[in-house]
Amino acid sequence: EAGVAQSPRYKIIEKRQSVAFWCNPISGHATLYWYQQILGQGPKLLIQFQNNGVVDDSQLPKDRFSAERLKGVDSTLKIQPAKLEDSAVYLCASTYIQGGTDTQYFGPGTRLTVL
Amino acid sequence: SQQGEEDPQALSIQEGENATMNCSYKTSINNLQWYRQNSGRGLVHLILIRSNEREKHSGRLRVTLDTSKKSSSLLITASRAADTASYFCATDSWGKLQFGAGTQVVVTP
Repeated sequence: EAGVAQSPRYKIIEKRQSVAFWCNPISGHATLYWYQQILGQGPKLLIQFQNNGVVDDSQLPKDRFSAERLKGVDSTLKIQPAKLEDSAVYLCASTYIQGGTDTQYFGPGTRLTVL
Repeated sequence: SQQGEEDPQALSIQEGENATMNCSYKTSINNLQWYRQNSGRGLVHLILIRSNEREKHSGRLRVTLDTSKKSSSLLITASRAADTASYFCATDSWGKLQFGAGTQVVVTP
């Protein structure tokens, strides 16, 4: 079974530029999550999708971050414009069970450096 | 804010020794999960313990949960160099995970 795929693996941009990350969850997984992990900290949930609908985006900085999950499969996370403090690893995870308790399967992450 | 707090922040042991790390949290939970993260990689799920369970085993891993004290511990027995990683506890409240800052474990041969 293929795992959660993310691209790119690394991205370096200058502040005020825009950037987009892509995630392909495990086939059949209804719930998809985006996390931000700053160096030395645990992952922080940014947004949770169930199929193509948003379940929780309370911690997403909506003035600069946006995310979508068209057709309930792949998802993209965008930052525009980027700030220095956005430097982090962005992790995508997915689960099979909708809205309940289940193991989350994580992708390898995208390491973003904002200069 | 982060729900779980791991202790210690860092742990250095030799191969064959046991490693114990603790997690404390603040609010009620459905379950608590432990994840491992190798340098530069994504997180790997290790074990899930439900709020009505007190102890769970998986291979060389032993997890305990004390809901009255809002704390959990992860024990890795007979550690190996390959166990070198960061370990995170995550509290689960209705499918929403909140992670602690992690314990960085180094196992030297």
